[in-house]
Amino acid sequence: AQSVTQLGSHVSVSEGALVLLRCNYSSSVPPYLFWYVQYPNQGLQLLLKYTTGATLVKGINGFEAEFKKSETSFHLTKPSAHMSDAAEYFCAVSKANFGNEKLTFGTGTRLTIIP
Amino acid sequence: NAGVTQTPKFQVLKTGQSMTLQCAQDMNHEYMSWYRQDPGMGLRLIHYSVGAGITDQGEVPNGYNVSRSTTEDFPLRLLSAAPSQTSVYFCASNLRQNTEAFFGQGTRLTVV
Repeated sequence: AQSVTQLGSHVSVSEGALVLLRCNYSSSVPPYLFWYVQYPNQGLQLLLKYTTGATLVKGINGFEAEFKKSETSFHLTKPSAHMSDAAEYFCAVSKANFGNEKLTFGTGTRLTIIP
Repeated sequence: NAGVTQTPKFQVLKTGQSMTLQCAQDMNHEYMSWYRQDPGMGLRLIHYSVGAGITDQGEVPNGYNVSRSTTEDFPLRLLSAAPSQTSVYFCASNLRQNTEAFFGQGTRLTVV
């Protein structure tokens, strides 16, 4: 069975500082990986996804993530935090082969930006 | 393009009452699902459907029913509401099961 672990339920960074949100996955076959963002009182919105090809994936709002198979990781980064980045972030995994595996979500990381 | 539409946005129920949360998508997606979101627990899958007429249970199905009579609609029924069902409910649709999910805005349900 696949699973996702997000290290740190709460992360605080200063405005302008590097944002790093950690995600590790387990999957017996090549994974599809996703990061979603949830702003207060909103649904989840896709930030970026990795399916195949380039392991460094760029998403919306200046975020990017790198798929590292050897480390089973898909950490989310942004070079310079903005106040508008304050939100909850979810990592999710599914399997690349067509089958019955559904998206599995991590428990989320709440990002706070310190002015 | 409306995407995924959920109604209502807010609901308060008394213990034992029943109700239906509505979900509709206009993207002709095969796969639809219902999640509940609780603090510290992320999103947990309640029920899902891989196409009209086909539904299956997720991680936390007890106390909920679903049906999928059309591709567009996937209502979630609470049969006899309990305080433990106080949560935020999200409907999502995917082109296929393992592709990106598109989420509705959520329904905040309180059972008193």
